[in-house]
Amino acid sequence: NAGVTQTPKFRVLKTGQSMTLLCAQDMNHEYMYWYRQDPGMGLRLIHYSVGEGTTAKGEVPDGYNVSRLKKQNFLLGLESAAPSQTSVYFCAIKGNTRTEAFFGQGTRLTVV
Amino acid sequence: QKEVEQDPGPLSVPEGAIVSLNCTYSNSAFQYFMWYRQYSRKGPELLMYTYSSGNKEDGRFTAQVDKSSKYISLFIRDSQPSDSATYLCAMSFDGGSQGNLIFGKGTKLSVKP
Repeated sequence: NAGVTQTPKFRVLKTGQSMTLLCAQDMNHEYMYWYRQDPGMGLRLIHYSVGEGTTAKGEVPDGYNVSRLKKQNFLLGLESAAPSQTSVYFCAIKGNTRTEAFFGQGTRLTVV
Repeated sequence: QKEVEQDPGPLSVPEGAIVSLNCTYSNSAFQYFMWYRQYSRKGPELLMYTYSSGNKEDGRFTAQVDKSSKYISLFIRDSQPSDSATYLCAMSFDGGSQGNLIFGKGTKLSVKP
């Protein structure tokens, strides 16, 4: 999944802790997305950004915040982690004139 | 009714079989249709992309879109064990500012040697 790098790849959090997931791209694409993937639920959109300085809510935004201060980076924050946020998180990017999205390798988060 | 429906499987076939994976959708405004392949513990990777109705072929893979029936298919010929993965269909209204993808839940495919 060249072009989209997610940090960290694995993390275990205690309930109530906070953390930030970083998505970095080197393809100069406008659109960036954060998804979560859970068994039986498929990919669900958390938040997305259509350009630097912009963010918007997706299907499941509660409990998450995002920021896009630089075009190449999209941050996903969990202020007070809950066990329900145990999931695999994927970042994706898309050009503004293209339809197909490209995904990172994912971040496996466990909240205990 | 979910916007995109996909049978989760699992689907198990012998090596060399022809595999048919399908999705149905409810919104006739979808224009762009994609298939992603996701190996275990990896991110989804784009496999096929089609616009509107018709067929598209790439090696052993054929993507078919039937907008009149709101039905898309992915066919895999001469399936190989390396095709074992989860296949996700995705679609969007356009490629621009409204181009957020709507995904099916994925079908898990296992190709047995």
